[in-house]
Amino acid sequence: AQTVTQSQPEMSVQEAETVTLSCTYDTSESDYYLFWYKQPPSRQMILVIRQEAYKQQNATENRFSVNFQKAAKSFSLKISDSQLGDAAMYFCAYRSSLLGTDKLIFGTGTRLQVFP
Amino acid sequence: DTGVSQNPRHKITKRGQNVTFRCDPISEHNRLYWYRQTLGQGPEFLTYFQNEAQLEKSRLLSDRFSAERPKGSFSTLEIQRTEQGDSAMYLCASSLAQTRGHNEQFFGPGTRLTVL
Repeated sequence: AQTVTQSQPEMSVQEAETVTLSCTYDTSESDYYLFWYKQPPSRQMILVIRQEAYKQQNATENRFSVNFQKAAKSFSLKISDSQLGDAAMYFCAYRSSLLGTDKLIFGTGTRLQVFP
Repeated sequence: DTGVSQNPRHKITKRGQNVTFRCDPISEHNRLYWYRQTLGQGPEFLTYFQNEAQLEKSRLLSDRFSAERPKGSFSTLEIQRTEQGDSAMYLCASSLAQTRGHNEQFFGPGTRLTVL
């Protein structure tokens, strides 16, 4: 079974600085998808960024980028120029590409605080 | 509002009572998912539907849990004989399944269940 591990329960960053959130996963599959989701306090979860395992190039979405290390099964999220609105729980998630399954497997999350 | 909606947003019940939650997906989405999120944890997959067919169920979905999507639009999740361990946030998500590639799951705000 696949697992996702986030070893940082909490992280903090100063506004305008850069922070990196860590995620490792375990799978025997060669093709899959990885995601970072953001869950602001009392608000719904939204997708931040996605990475297809077959792509070597790291995904980037504006101030958000990932460092995908397939061999190491590592998938970290870098937030540049942090803003107060980035404060939230961040969840790393895995999805198999196999037909017949369409579930997301989440880590336990990292709470990010942003200080002015 | 064209997002995923869930009702009620909060539910407090006594142990042993039955509860039912409703999820309305984004209108053109054919897949609908249920997840459960307990305090300090990431969401855990419960089940998903494609149209009205329930395609996958987690072992977490005990006999006391039942989910339906009778007309392929909204879905209900019923918990019978609630237990204190059922206290959690129940999240619904929807997506438009594609023949190739990943279909993004859009999440609703959740229903917070408290069992006294």
